[in-house]
Amino acid sequence: NAGVTQTPKFQVLKTGQSMTLQCAQDMNHEYMSWYRQDPGMGLRLIHYSVGAGITDQGEVPNGYNVSRSTTEDFPLRLLSAAPSQTSVYFCASSPTSGYNEQFFGPGTRLTVL
Amino acid sequence: AQTVTQSQPEMSVQEAETVTLSCTYDTSESDYYLFWYKQPPSRQMILVIRQEAYKQQNATENRFSVNFQKAAKSFSLKISDSQLGDAAMYFCAYRRGNDMRFGAGTRLTVKP
Repeated sequence: NAGVTQTPKFQVLKTGQSMTLQCAQDMNHEYMSWYRQDPGMGLRLIHYSVGAGITDQGEVPNGYNVSRSTTEDFPLRLLSAAPSQTSVYFCASSPTSGYNEQFFGPGTRLTVL
Repeated sequence: AQTVTQSQPEMSVQEAETVTLSCTYDTSESDYYLFWYKQPPSRQMILVIRQEAYKQQNATENRFSVNFQKAAKSFSLKISDSQLGDAAMYFCAYRRGNDMRFGAGTRLTVKP
């Protein structure tokens, strides 16, 4: 099992550009989520999904879109990048929502100039 | 909204000694999970230990143990016989349903 994979590992964007952060898991997990990690603030939930076709907003959803067409993939889209979106992004998954631990991907460091 | 507070931005410990990292949280719920995650310089989030709120017994995993005080909403992590490889950021986290909240983290330094 590869677990949770994320691509790319690093990305530099200019303000206004768009891009998609990829996330995939091979554990057949229903629940997937995206977090951003900023210095001094821990991880904050952006969006999550409880299954294919079902997504919802987390704590900091503005500026980000998600979709879940398959169980395995959960991409995060930035439609018009802003410097405030400079952060480290983590994708995570768990068998279900609720009380299980989440398994994290290796993260993507995004810089918006 | 649930919040998680780690009041110690940095801690240091001598190799082979014991250190305790503090965490408090705020919730009106009675059923939830609590976690400690370790983040080394590689950036990977690694689960250290978990605690189910309905269990009174404190969780232990080898050198790692927790002191879970449900009424006080406190969840501290004790690392015994500290090793150089324990140096990392440690995050306390709360999860209930679709919501998961993290503290700001404690950076642990281990001195040889």
